Amino acid sequence: DSGVTQTPKHLITATGQRVTLRCSPRSGDLSVYWYQQSLDQGLQFLIQYYNGEERAKGNILERFSAQQFPDLHSELNLSSLELGDSALYFCASSAQTGGGNYGYTFGSGTRLTVV
Amino acid sequence: GQNIDQPTEMTATEGAIVQINCTYQTSGFNGLFWYQQHAGEAPTFLSYNVLDGLEEKGRFSSFLSRSKGYSYLLLKELQMKDSASYLCAVSNQGGKLIFGQGTELSVKP
Repeated sequence: DSGVTQTPKHLITATGQRVTLRCSPRSGDLSVYWYQQSLDQGLQFLIQYYNGEERAKGNILERFSAQQFPDLHSELNLSSLELGDSALYFCASSAQTGGGNYGYTFGSGTRLTVV
Repeated sequence: GQNIDQPTEMTATEGAIVQINCTYQTSGFNGLFWYQQHAGEAPTFLSYNVLDGLEEKGRFSSFLSRSKGYSYLLLKELQMKDSASYLCAVSNQGGKLIFGQGTELSVKP
C-alpha cells in the first residue's frame, strides 16, 4: 500500500456520461497530481494542486476538471465522456511541489472504460 | 517546451546488465526520476538525480549529466521480475513531473 488511495478501482460507463474519480494523498503530502495513461501511451500529466490551489496544468481537456479540498483529497471530474477517454487515471502525491528525494507516490489508479 | 526520449523497447538476458538511456529537454530542471511500472499497475519510484553523477541503490544505479540533458538507468544481475516498463521523468521548477513514453524491458531466461 503506497499510502495514496484512489477510488473506484474500476469504472464502466456510457458515452456522454459524467464520472468523478477520487484521490486521498499520502498523509502529510500537500501536492496532488493527476495523470492519464491510455493503452500503449505514456503517462500524460493533467493537472497539479498544492494545498488546495491549482499549481500547474497539462493537456487537460475542457470537459475535465479537478479540485483539491481542505482535507487535501482531490477529485477529477470527467464529463461528456467519449470512447477515447477510456484509460487508466493515476493520482500521485508529494510532500512539496517538485517531488524531492522521495519522488511522487502513485495510487493504484482507476481504470475507466467508456462503452 | 519539454521533450523526453527513451528507447521503446529492449531485451536482455537473465543475470546480465542493461542500460536504459534517457535524453531530455526541459524549461527549468528540478530533478530526474526513474520509475518502474508493471502492466496495469502503478509506477513505483526507483531513483532521483538532481546533481551530476551516479546514484547507486542495490542492483539499480542512475546517472545524470545536466549539461548533456542525459541520464541512464543501469540494472545489474537481471531477474525475470525486472521485466517491466521503465519510465524516465523530469521535474521542472514549477513542480510538474513529465514522463517519457517508457522503455519496455523484456528479460529472457
